[in-house]
Amino acid sequence: ETGVTQTPRHLVMGMTNKKSLKCEQHLGHNAMYWYKQSAKKPLELMFVYSLEERVENNSVPSRFSPECPNSSHLFLHLHTLQPEDSALYLCASSQVDYGGGYTFGSGTRLTVV
Amino acid sequence: QKEVEQDPGPLSVPEGAIVSLNCTYSNSAFQYFMWYRQYSRKGPELLMYTYSSGNKEDGRFTAQVDKSSKYISLFIRDSQPSDSATYLCAFRTGRRALTFGSGTRLQVQP
Repeated sequence: ETGVTQTPRHLVMGMTNKKSLKCEQHLGHNAMYWYKQSAKKPLELMFVYSLEERVENNSVPSRFSPECPNSSHLFLHLHTLQPEDSALYLCASSQVDYGGGYTFGSGTRLTVV
Repeated sequence: QKEVEQDPGPLSVPEGAIVSLNCTYSNSAFQYFMWYRQYSRKGPELLMYTYSSGNKEDGRFTAQVDKSSKYISLFIRDSQPSDSATYLCAFRTGRRALTFGSGTRLQVQP
């Protein structure tokens, strides 16, 4: 497999559930990102991992918890979410010292009921 | 003032038309300028990437950057129905993460 792969593609969860989103990149990149995409709003940066160290956390509520066990894998652990957390969650990767763009996965469409 | 302004559209054009998509920005520290295309139910894919003011051409696509006016554009010539998507402008400063516009939805009618 090539590129950035996200699983699951769709997720419906209740407000009391705990679930995890998974992202895997096969590009040899050393930085990974979580973004949230809501309708009619810009992509919102949530977390940045550079060389497996979290370097940015954009005031994201603690009900979202990232994990980066190695440079190829990134998780987003979810617990006690709110309906307003329903969105498309996108993972991306890049080379940290390269000024270019990111490679995105296809995203996980999350619905909180 | 928002850091990036992008008209959300939708923009509807007939097949074969020239399309112009634009973004304005306020952060003069932005060094890298990008356009992403996002099809429905897919993640964004990098379409064009520029570093300096001026034009960059790739097939039917031309990216234009005017740093003095803090304005970037994407032109699509001979637009096709397959170009129907949401187009996102994106900006980067050094090692900082990308800053995105909200996207313009384009519909090319056959």
